[in-house]
Amino acid sequence: EPEVTQTPSHQVTQMGQEVILRCVPISNHLYFYWYRQILGQKVEFLVSFYNNEISEKSEIFDDQFSVERPDGSNFTLKIRSTKLEDSAMYFCASTGTPDYSNQPQHFGDGTRLSIL
Amino acid sequence: AQKVTQAQTEISVVEKEDVTLDCVYETRDTTYYLFWYKQPPSGELVFLIRRNSFDEQNEISGRYSWNFQKSTSSFNFTITASQVVDSAVYFCALSGTSYGKLTFGQGTILTVHP
Repeated sequence: EPEVTQTPSHQVTQMGQEVILRCVPISNHLYFYWYRQILGQKVEFLVSFYNNEISEKSEIFDDQFSVERPDGSNFTLKIRSTKLEDSAMYFCASTGTPDYSNQPQHFGDGTRLSIL
Repeated sequence: AQKVTQAQTEISVVEKEDVTLDCVYETRDTTYYLFWYKQPPSGELVFLIRRNSFDEQNEISGRYSWNFQKSTSSFNFTITASQVVDSAVYFCALSGTSYGKLTFGQGTILTVHP
């Protein structure tokens, strides 16, 4: 079964450094998302992306964050200058096939980001 | 604004017991979608079910069943004859459109003891 792939599984970064989290969504999906989960808390929406642009973003997704689909397969989340409070599990998700059949969001296994 | 409430923070049961996880939601949308996801100790999010607001039929899948009641804005999840492998965090989620963002509840930690 096709799946969403995220790399790396764990990223350790010094505060103030830039970090890029990578995702390969399911190949024929059209809608892409990033969520984050601070340890022990609920999953929170960050941003959704469709047709090469952001379709919705949350208050968390400030100017330090950006997303990009640099080619036909990757979907990246960049945090420009990381803060301690950015430490969390980041999940990528995708859904939506060209025939618009109803599909749930399929999640990757997540990237655990630790800011030191 | 959308909101999902899972009032049960933690539930502990003994294997073979039935357990129900509660989910109450708030939305102003007339059409919406409800979901349950499972997060095992390994951390990934596993899709369990999706329901749209026009379909109030209960669903059964093996030991899992879901009860959707629009009148009480609830979408409860029951595991029959629980097993140790059911131990996980279970999240209820809501979306206002087919491909919109998911709003998650706080999650319920289910521990099934042998």
